[in-house]
Amino acid sequence: EPEVTQTPSHQVTQMGQEVILRCVPISNHLYFYWYRQILGQKVEFLVSFYNNEISEKSEIFDDQFSVERPDGSNFTLKIRSTKLEDSAMYFCASSEGQGSNTGELFFGEGSRLTVL
Amino acid sequence: SQKIEQNSEALNIQEGKTATLTCNYTNYSPAYLQWYRQDPGRGPVFLLLIRENEKEKRKERLKVTFDTTLKQSLFHITASQPADSATYLCALFHISGSSNTGKLIFGQGTTLQVKP
Repeated sequence: EPEVTQTPSHQVTQMGQEVILRCVPISNHLYFYWYRQILGQKVEFLVSFYNNEISEKSEIFDDQFSVERPDGSNFTLKIRSTKLEDSAMYFCASSEGQGSNTGELFFGEGSRLTVL
Repeated sequence: SQKIEQNSEALNIQEGKTATLTCNYTNYSPAYLQWYRQDPGRGPVFLLLIRENEKEKRKERLKVTFDTTLKQSLFHITASQPADSATYLCALFHISGSSNTGKLIFGQGTTLQVKP
């Protein structure tokens, strides 16, 4: 069964360092998302991406964050200068979106980011 | 402001009983309401979707109801099993923009524990 894959599964970084989290969405999907979940809290929307551009972003997704789809398969989240409060599990998700977009999302297993 | 509320207290039930989880929302007009399962340290997994013009949806031992007047959804697991123990997330998908894009917003989830 097709799945969303994310790397790395866990990254530890120093405050102020740049981090890139990588995702390979399901191949025929058209909509891509990043979510984050701070330990013990709810899954929060960060950004949606369609047709090679950002569709929507949340207040969390400030200038420190960027997303890119550099080729036909990868979808990346970059944090330019990490802060302690960026420590969280980051989930990539994709949806098919053919015809009616029902928003049924397929999530990866997450990348746990620890900022020291 | 927009809110999605789920019972934050864990639900403990005996194996074989029916588990009922509640999701209430305010200030939303979602096109679709969805339920996801999340196991510790894992990504959310899609379970069921119900449209705004549907009252009830079933899938195997799962049943979801959607009352847009009350702004409430109920999620039932019949004949519950210990393997059903997990956190269940309610999510609302609201379509925005001309490209049929949207975002999925999650509640904080309710943890279900099914005891043998």
